[in-house]
Amino acid sequence: KQEVTQIPAALSVPEGENLVLNCSFTDSAIYNLQWFRQDPGKGLTSLLLIQSSQREQTSGRLNASLDKSSGRSTLYIAASQPGDSATYLCAVGYSGNTPLVFGKGTRLSVIA
Amino acid sequence: GAGVSQTPSNKVTEKGKYVELRCDPISGHTALYWYRQSLGQGPEFLIYFQGTGAADDSGLPNDRFFAVRPEGSVSTLKIQRTERGDSAVYLCASSPGVADTQYFGPGTRLTVL
Repeated sequence: KQEVTQIPAALSVPEGENLVLNCSFTDSAIYNLQWFRQDPGKGLTSLLLIQSSQREQTSGRLNASLDKSSGRSTLYIAASQPGDSATYLCAVGYSGNTPLVFGKGTRLSVIA
Repeated sequence: GAGVSQTPSNKVTEKGKYVELRCDPISGHTALYWYRQSLGQGPEFLIYFQGTGAADDSGLPNDRFFAVRPEGSVSTLKIQRTERGDSAVYLCASSPGVADTQYFGPGTRLTVL
């Protein structure tokens, strides 16, 4: 069974700090990896999608990296803002049958 | 354009009742997914449609759960004889094709009393 683990489960940082969220997966034969944001009581918003052939993707203050061989991905958030407070979910897709396998998420609080 | 929509947003029912949850995907998206999210957990896969057919229903927990997508667009998740353990947020997602970015709806919060 594929497992996706996210560390830490919760993180609180002061505004302006750079931070890294971690995601690890047990089966490195992935097709892609996706990072999502979830606000309380809301659905998921896709942030970045990394294909297995890629090493990283960037969008604004966000940068996601992928290391298939070690089964790891990181989400780097630069100059954090209170509006970044949310739960961040990592999800892995496998080729041929691609329902996503999710981690439990990291709950981020950015304190003004 | 419109995103994925789900109705109702909230559903409260009594144990043993039947419920239907609806998902309207983004127009033109061929793939449609149902997930279930319990409090403090990540979403867990239930069933995936490619067009009208269920390509993978291995995540359905038991035969009380069933889903259809008769015309390849709107999908309905049906739960018979609901149990308190079915209480969760049911999320629907669609994508243009297999392994593309999945776009999620706001979810239906189901509470079984």
